[in-house]
Amino acid sequence: GQQVMQIPQYQHVQEGEDFTTYCNSSTTLSNIQWYKQRPGGHPVFLIQLVKSGEVKKQKRLTFQFGEAKKNSSLHITATQTTDVGTYFCAGSDNSGGSNYKLTFGKGTLLTVNP
Amino acid sequence: SAVISQKPSRDICQRGTSLTIQCQVDSQVTMMFWYRQQPGQSLTLIATANQGSEATYESGFVIDKFPISRPNLTFSTLTVSNMSPEDSSIYLCSAYDRVRIYGYTFGSGTRLTVV
Repeated sequence: GQQVMQIPQYQHVQEGEDFTTYCNSSTTLSNIQWYKQRPGGHPVFLIQLVKSGEVKKQKRLTFQFGEAKKNSSLHITATQTTDVGTYFCAGSDNSGGSNYKLTFGKGTLLTVNP
Repeated sequence: SAVISQKPSRDICQRGTSLTIQCQVDSQVTMMFWYRQQPGQSLTLIATANQGSEATYESGFVIDKFPISRPNLTFSTLTVSNMSPEDSSIYLCSAYDRVRIYGYTFGSGTRLTVV
């Protein structure tokens, strides 16, 4: 079945440093989504990437989808303490009439030292 | 985006008993899903809740253990049956409303402890 690998598992940075997490799928994806989960909270949708080579930005966050639609990254510039949480990528393969279910990566826990 | 109310938020249950978790969405949604998440771990899909028909279960999850209902487009329940301590986890429902900019919305989760 579909597998989504995500690295690193943990990342600790000083406030102001940059942060990047990477996802790689075993199969070609229809789209990839990114979620943030604060400690004790539930996953919150950040963005969806659909097109090959797509790049989207949300303020200090930059999301990329690879040309082969098998990998993706999330980059945060100049981290802040409010960025603390676990970032999950989640891939979807909607081909063949599948039911839009997501396969989540293991997540990257980001901690920020003020 | 859709808002999901999930309850209970937490419970402590005796082994051998069952717990039913409810999710109510504030709008009609096409798809609903149930996930399990161990603290500090990723999300594992239990099943897709299909409106008006039997749920579609992922490998390792069976209907007798996790019966799911979805009587309409805004409501679903997950029952954890004949519980054991290994069922202690966080259970989350999720909904997808085909409006792609909103992604999947999650309920706030049910933290289950089986003693």
